[in-house]
Amino acid sequence: DQQVKQNSPSLSVQEGRISILNCDYTNSMFDYFLWYKKYPAEGPTFLISISSIKDKNEDGRFTVFLNKSAKHLSLHIVPSQPGDSAVYFCAASANNAGNMLTFGGGTRLMVKP
Amino acid sequence: DAGVTQSPTHLIKTRGQHVTLRCSPISGHKSVSWYQQVLGQGPQFIFQYYEKEERGRGNFPDRFSARQFPNYSSELNVNALLLGDSALYLCASSLLLGYGYTFGSGTRLTVV
Repeated sequence: DQQVKQNSPSLSVQEGRISILNCDYTNSMFDYFLWYKKYPAEGPTFLISISSIKDKNEDGRFTVFLNKSAKHLSLHIVPSQPGDSAVYFCAASANNAGNMLTFGGGTRLMVKP
Repeated sequence: DAGVTQSPTHLIKTRGQHVTLRCSPISGHKSVSWYQQVLGQGPQFIFQYYEKEERGRGNFPDRFSARQFPNYSSELNVNALLLGDSALYLCASSLLLGYGYTFGSGTRLTVV
């Protein structure tokens, strides 16, 4: 039973354009959501998070949107850069904190020059 | 500043054997979590420790155990290895419980 799903295993975007990565969840107890980026042979790196009391959080080129009624969140990267090419994981927790995370399966983003 | 250090980086074990994976958190971090990432999937939560006490356990069999030492380093032990235990095992540390976890690069375990 996958409680966090990333339905797109891969996404290809041209440099300078917007990348939109999507994530759906089923557990209504989740109240804190995070995005991680992972390069090969490295551990996941924290990108941005959002609490369920908000519907948007922005940090530089990265913005996360949360739609609680739809149990859906998305990560927008604008503008996309070749260095953004990596696997992106959506994660959720049920204790308003970033621990004991439930991860999605990941989306591989390829940004073409 | 050293990040989260995991050892070994790779190892190969035979079915039925036992394995111990080690994690040194960032200096000053008191919380350590362990995750298993099977190829093609996202990481799955195994254990969380804070101040040497277990604070959370994921849906893993009793063959998996862990502990945290007084210096906040941690070990993950897996007994009676199965082929399905082949995965990347990730350790993450945080200053406090619940915030700002930094992941190590992981230990790649292959069970043959």
